[in-house]
Amino acid sequence: GAVVSQHPSWVICKSGTSVKIECRSLDFQATTMFWYRQFPKQSLMLMATSNEGSKATYEQGVEKDKFLINHASLTLSTLTVTSAHPEDSSFYICSANQAGGPLAEQFFGPGTRLTVL
Amino acid sequence: RKEVEQDPGPFNVPEGATVAFNCTYSNSASQSFFWYRQDCRKEPKLLMSVYSSGNEDGRFTAQLNRASQYISLLIRDSKLSDSATYLCVVISFQKLVFGTGTRLLVSP
Repeated sequence: GAVVSQHPSWVICKSGTSVKIECRSLDFQATTMFWYRQFPKQSLMLMATSNEGSKATYEQGVEKDKFLINHASLTLSTLTVTSAHPEDSSFYICSANQAGGPLAEQFFGPGTRLTVL
Repeated sequence: RKEVEQDPGPFNVPEGATVAFNCTYSNSASQSFFWYRQDCRKEPKLLMSVYSSGNEDGRFTAQLNRASQYISLLIRDSKLSDSATYLCVVISFQKLVFGTGTRLLVSP
């Protein structure tokens, strides 16, 4: 099946620093990638939808200037958490759709656990 | 009200037991429904889609009741390896909407 990787798998950083998370589709082209966030004991919440070559669409309540998304190629999307604070500590998961694939067929990355001290 | 609601559990059952989880959703226009499994600190993995006619995959049976906006998952002959969090997922307004999940613990 299709494989999606994320890097890093975990990161610990100081408050105020920026953290970049990469999401790669390894064996398919992903025209659309999705970024989710999951706080402990809560559901995955969609943060933004990223389409290759265009600006990401952010969900209500997600600050686009704080969570910068770049989807410059068909196999790579990045999420940068700018000036991270402890409340940004969470599990960030990306997923990707194959080109032309149905929305339901999303392949999830293994997630990145961010801890901000 | 949350768009997808589930009982968080945990459901503690012995091996071999049958256990059922329920889920309700609020958007009557939702078209597609799924059950995912999520292990601790891991990404969710698709378990099965849910169809109006009901569908079965081995020990797992999923049912959808559109009139009541209710989805269920039945697991028969529980195994220790079934211990996980089961997420009810709905496609609503062109995006996947996840429930908080129901935790299942299967003990020897």
